[in-house]
This record gives sequence, C-alpha cells and structure tokens, in this order.
Amino acid sequence: EAQVTQNPRYLITVTGKKLTVTCSQNMNHEYMSWYRQDPGLGLRQIYYSMNVEVTDKGDVPEGYKVSRKEKRNFPLILESPSPNQTSLYFCASSPGRTVISGNTIYFGEGSWLTVV
Amino acid sequence: KQEVTQIPAALSVPEGENLVLNCSFTDSAIYNLQWFRQDPGKGLTSLLLIQSSQREQTSGRLNASLDKSSGRSTLYIAASQPGDSATYLCAVRHYNQGGKLIFGQGTELSVKP
Repeated sequence: EAQVTQNPRYLITVTGKKLTVTCSQNMNHEYMSWYRQDPGLGLRQIYYSMNVEVTDKGDVPEGYKVSRKEKRNFPLILESPSPNQTSLYFCASSPGRTVISGNTIYFGEGSWLTVV
Repeated sequence: KQEVTQIPAALSVPEGENLVLNCSFTDSAIYNLQWFRQDPGKGLTSLLLIQSSQREQTSGRLNASLDKSSGRSTLYIAASQPGDSATYLCAVRHYNQGGKLIFGQGTELSVKP
C-alpha cells in the first residue's frame, strides 16, 4: 500500500529537548516536504526536498532542520524545541521532477507535537 | 504573494443536498489546484487535482472546476451524505516556489442526517 508514515503520531516534550519526527514514504518519490498546521494560519511549508541531498527552506523554517540522506526518508529535527512549535505536523511526498507536471501529493497522518 | 481564500469557513446542510465550496487565489501563475479532505485528527486525502490547462475534474459525486483567469475554483458535491462531513482544503501549486502547495484555510462541512 502506498503511504507516507510519520512517527511519533503524538508527543509531549519539554522546551530545549531535541527531538526528531521521522517521515518515510514507500512510493519512490523524489519530492518530500514538511508542513505545520495551526488554527487560523492553515498549513504552511517548513522545508522541502527535491531529491536526495537537496533541501530548501519553505515559509517557516526557523527552529527546524531536515536531512535527506536517502530517498525514502525525510526527518524533521527540532534542535531546541520551544512552545511556539506546538503544532500539528504533516509530511508529504510526490513524484519529483514531475512535481511540475502536477502529480498528486500524498500526506502522512500527522504528528501532534506539544512543547511545554 | 499568492493567497488562497476559501468561502464559507463553515457550512451545515441536510443530507441529500447538492452543495458548492469556493476557493479563490490571487496569482494565476499556477501549475495546478488540488482539493483535499481532512477528517478530524487525520491527514489530508487528495480528492481531485486540476492541471492549469484543465477546466474541470470529476470523481464520483465530486466535480471540481478551475477558472485560472479569474482565480477561482469550485468543488461541487452532489447528493451529500453524513460521511462527507469533514474539512475541505484547496491548495495551489505555484510556478516559482519549489513545488510548494499554498493552502486555503478550509471549509468545515457538516452534513446532517
């Protein structure tokens, strides 16, 4: 089954404690991205990756890091989480160069992160 | 800067009604427009994708239209059912922003039995 898998789905953590949200897709997609969803602000892109070892900032990259060492994985790293990073996070993937041709983008089920 | 707006923010209808959700965007330089469904606590499920060169797409009881020149899209749901209750999001993929999807705020639909 084609899917994007995120872990953990739910996490409560404390300010400053580094954490990683993993994302894995099994569709051999080149393009992957991270979004956060907040009430009143909608979905906003954090980082994206057009291919292995190629990453770029989205609209709200501050406080986040990503890496793309393998095609299937695109972890989101919060080096020093703060309460304003409490949010619902989504990983997404789609075929890469064909992103320009507009293939459907697939989303994971989301990760609820609370930073206290 | 591309902005996407969805009206109404919330909609409640009785079962069986046909309904239309609206989406507007400010910059017509888009690759495509996509409609998603989001259930509470869940991820996004793609419903329909319309390429910039297309006018509409259909899937079952759903029909999405795109008028790029006026910056508008509609999602038509025929014979609504309680199972259609969810938040519906539209998103545009812009030419110059690395394949980023720019989302509207969504329309929360409730279909009453």
